[in-house]
Amino acid sequence: IAGITQAPTSQILAAGRRMTLRCTQDMRHNAMYWYRQDLGLGLRLIHYSNTAGTTGKGEVPDGYSVSRANTDDFPLTLASAVPSQTSVYFCASSPLSGGTYNEQFFGPGTRLTVL
Amino acid sequence: ELKVEQNPLFLSMQEGKNYTIYCNYSTTSDRLYWYRQDPGKSLESLFVLLSNGAVKQEGRLMASLDTKARLSTLHITAAVHDLSATYFCAVAEIQGAQKLVFGQGTRLTINP
Repeated sequence: IAGITQAPTSQILAAGRRMTLRCTQDMRHNAMYWYRQDLGLGLRLIHYSNTAGTTGKGEVPDGYSVSRANTDDFPLTLASAVPSQTSVYFCASSPLSGGTYNEQFFGPGTRLTVL
Repeated sequence: ELKVEQNPLFLSMQEGKNYTIYCNYSTTSDRLYWYRQDPGKSLESLFVLLSNGAVKQEGRLMASLDTKARLSTLHITAAVHDLSATYFCAVAEIQGAQKLVFGQGTRLTINP
């Protein structure tokens, strides 16, 4: 089934630990995005990538890093987790090519709790 | 900097009633999206609005866009319980990477 997968589904993490959230899409979309969702704040963009090999910072990039080695994968790494990074993380992708709506499609999310 | 505001943030309504959710944005854009999110689930795309005066309808939901007023509306007609969810609008930045900026979301509860 085409779409976006994220792993893990949920995770409880001790503060100070390193964590990588995985995201894979099979739609051959050029662009990929990471958002965090917190109650009352909607979705906020953490990092994005318009094509393999390039990344950019979103609204709330501090404490997070990403890489885009190929079209399909876009992992998000927390180098040293802090409690304020407790959130639900969504990965998304979009075609980002001429003549399209650039509609973003979302993965199922990862619920992360940092203690 | 593009800012997106929705109102109301919470809406409780009776089945059979009509209501409208508003989405205002601060700078020029050429694309606006509406998403639905059920509790504990991901976001599902509802509508893509691309031009001034665009109107899209799906069942009891109708979305419209006024780019001059920088306003989109999501109208619910004769609400049913199944429409209970959180609804987000998102506006595309017109320059650069064309990132989306989301509103805070409107949590809609429809009571029998």
